[in-house]
Amino acid sequence: LAKTTQPISMDSYEGQEVNITCSHNNIATNDYITWYQQFPSQGPRFIIQGYKTKVTNEVASLFIPADRKSSTLSLPRVSLSDTAVYYCLVGEIKMEYGNKLVFGAGTILRVKS
Amino acid sequence: SQTIHQWPATLVQPVGSPLSLECTVEGTSNPNLYWYRQAAGRGLQLLFYSVGIGQISSEVPQNLSASRPQDRQFILSSKKLLLSDSGFYLCASLRRDSYGYTFGSGTRLTVV
Repeated sequence: LAKTTQPISMDSYEGQEVNITCSHNNIATNDYITWYQQFPSQGPRFIIQGYKTKVTNEVASLFIPADRKSSTLSLPRVSLSDTAVYYCLVGEIKMEYGNKLVFGAGTILRVKS
Repeated sequence: SQTIHQWPATLVQPVGSPLSLECTVEGTSNPNLYWYRQAAGRGLQLLFYSVGIGQISSEVPQNLSASRPQDRQFILSSKKLLLSDSGFYLCASLRRDSYGYTFGSGTRLTVV
């Protein structure tokens, strides 16, 4: 399993762009990179997933360099409601036998007014 | 889209009592299902996963067990709860469209 390293916490202000970087130096060829958001007392929510280059959806963008040893989740113009824990997961998904994706401690993002 | 139902939302149980948490899935068939536990201020720990009826894989040795009696039903059990079983228990299903998880709303278990 590819080990991931994220900052423990980040602070930002409303309206700013926030970039959270995840390091995964031993990522394997078949591994995907997935980010989740979790609010207190709720289950994590899928944000975005990618394999290489850039992926964008209505919530965020995910930037993955050519060597795939890191990835950056970009949240445009954050609001107070974006205060949450953000998890970076790296792993291969096999529908036939499930998977062993591991959630680390994540990054606590605090958005201030 | 998939929906995960978990109940109860909160539970307070005495040490030594049994436990049964139920998770049901809507909106998909033959899902891969997972039980995670989250201690206060910590990341999620994978406890069990299942790729089909009656098929359970355990990730960590513990006081808990899991069963999958039906395609879209996943149950977490214990015969005798320990104080260390307290935590936030989450059921999840693996989405087939994007390889991401869909999580339930969780059960907050406090063993006293």
